[in-house]
Parts: sequence; C-alpha cells; structure tokens
Amino acid sequence: AQSVTQLGSHVSVSEGALVLLRCNYSSSVPPYLFWYVQYPNQGLQLLLKYTTGATLVKGINGFEAEFKKSETSFHLTKPSAHMSDAAEYFCAVSRGGSNYKLTFGKGTLLTVNP
Amino acid sequence: NAGVTQTPKFQVLKTGQSMTLQCAQDMNHEYMSWYRQDPGMGLRLIHYSVGAGITDQGEVPNGYNVSRSTTEDFPLRLLSAAPSQTSVYFCASSTGTGGLANEKLFFGSGTQLSVL
Repeated sequence: AQSVTQLGSHVSVSEGALVLLRCNYSSSVPPYLFWYVQYPNQGLQLLLKYTTGATLVKGINGFEAEFKKSETSFHLTKPSAHMSDAAEYFCAVSRGGSNYKLTFGKGTLLTVNP
Repeated sequence: NAGVTQTPKFQVLKTGQSMTLQCAQDMNHEYMSWYRQDPGMGLRLIHYSVGAGITDQGEVPNGYNVSRSTTEDFPLRLLSAAPSQTSVYFCASSTGTGGLANEKLFFGSGTQLSVL
C-alpha cells in the first residue's frame, strides 16, 4: 500500500522568499507522484507530476519538484513566493500507477506574508 | 466545455436520510473518481470507475454506493446518512491513467454535505 507524509501542516513565508513544501512517500512499486493546489472553496488543480524519466519536474506558476528515489521524497519548491501562492498544497501518490486512484497527504497550508 | 460539474454545492441532511450527489463530465473521460475531504485528513478515495458499467471500491467505501450507466455521469449515493459522512465531496475525471504528459485528473468544485 502507498502512503504520503507531508511535513508541516502550515508553512509561512515572506513574499519573495523560497517556498519549500516537503513530501515523502512509500510505495512498493515505482510510483506516479503529484502535487495539487487548492484555493479556498475550489477544487484541486494539478501543479505537476512525475511518472518516469527526468527527475526534476517543472509545473505551472513557477513551481518545480524533484523525485529522489533514494530519499523517497518529492519536495515542491518555488524560488520566490508571490501573494497569489497562498493556498493549500497536497502531495499524492498513485495507487497502481493510475492517476484516478490517488493517495493524498494531509496537506500543507501555505501563507505568504507581505 | 463545462468540465466536471457537481450538484448540489451544499446539502444538509438528517441522520438516516438518503441522497445522491451528482457528478457529470463533458470531456468523454473514461476514468472517474469520488473523494471526500475532511480537515487535517487530505482527500480519501471512496469509489472509482474505469468506464461505463465498471466500478470499484477505494479506501473508504462503506456507506456509499455508485453506478456508472453512462460515460458522462457518476453519481454517489448515501443510503442512510450518518454524521460521520459530514464532509466535502469531490468528483474527478481523467482521460487516461496519467502516464502521458497531457493526462491529468480534473476535479469538480465540490459538494459540502452536513449530516445532523
């Protein structure tokens, strides 16, 4: 069975600072890994995903994540935070290599301070 | 395209009542899923479908039924609502399994359900 651990339920950064949201996973098979963002009162939107190939994945809105198999990690980063990045972020791993059967982490709420 | 449409947006039920949460997509996606979101718990998979007539259980299926008679619709039924089913419910659909770059899961805007 897969599982996902997001370290830190709440992360606060200043505008212009580095954003680092941590995600570790466990999976018995090569996983598909995802980061989703949820703005208040909305559904989830895909930021980026890793399936195979290049381990550094670039997504929308300037976010990127690096798949590190040896560390079972898939941390999300953005060099410079913007006020519009304030949202909840979810890391997810596929169940059986299928993006319609996801196991989600508990989420990290990102606050951006002016 | 409307994408994934969920109705109603809000619903209040009494314990023991039944209801159906509607989900429809107009993208001709084969794969559809239902998730529930609870504070501090992330999203958990309830049921999913890989095509019309084919459904299967996810992580937390108890108390919920689904059917998939058409590609477009994937309703979620609560037969006898319980307070533990108070949650926000999201429906999602995908064109594929996610292995290709253009395959991704599209989420609806959610149904907020309260069971008193």
